[in-house]
Amino acid sequence: EVQLVQSGAEVKKPGESLKISCKASGYSFTNYWIGWVRQRPGKGLEWMGIIHPADSDSRYSPSFQGQVTISADRSVSTAYLHWTTLKASDTAIYYCAKHSPAGYYMDVWGEGTTVTVSS
Amino acid sequence: DIQMTQSPSTLSASVGDRVTITCRASQSISTWLAWYQQKPGQAPKLLIYKASTLESGVPSRFSGSGSGAEFTLTISSLQPDDFATYYCHQYSTDSRTFGQGTKVEIK
Repeated sequence: EVQLVQSGAEVKKPGESLKISCKASGYSFTNYWIGWVRQRPGKGLEWMGIIHPADSDSRYSPSFQGQVTISADRSVSTAYLHWTTLKASDTAIYYCAKHSPAGYYMDVWGEGTTVTVSS
Repeated sequence: DIQMTQSPSTLSASVGDRVTITCRASQSISTWLAWYQQKPGQAPKLLIYKASTLESGVPSRFSGSGSGAEFTLTISSLQPDDFATYYCHQYSTDSRTFGQGTKVEIK
């Protein structure tokens, strides 16, 4: 069974750094793009970016370019989303999602990681 | 970025109703469009890809149509499990985008 298991909820202060994870199982991790989607409280879905674990080729939404870093570790079949300086506006649920062959649509989603940034 | 605009934002309907949600792209995206369903507290679920292809396991009452810049998601006979928020998603370019969502509520 294809599964994406995300790391647990985080509570951080503005200015802190954070890395959340998404561990894949049940498929060949290096063969499929994997991406991240943000959902702020009570709001819609926002596409952040994707990475191909085989070579770490990555693409970002202009809205998120420079704000976060997406990475992947093939040895542990895990994708990451990293902030160096959190802001209160980063408070949201973050979903990882595996992409279909050729990296088109997102076909399997993780359960989401809630990130709360508050002083 | 390609902008995706869904209408309506909220839809009130009864069990058994035929429901149609529209998604318009700011430029042509061919048929590079997916639809997702999201229930409160859950991750989104893929319903349709390539504008009209039903994902495996999704009930046949869901259907998608359209190409270019205008698309529709239709639920032929609304069931209690279908009350949720629906999002369209374009994957035509390297920078993908979602519509703002359509909430289907009980009338």
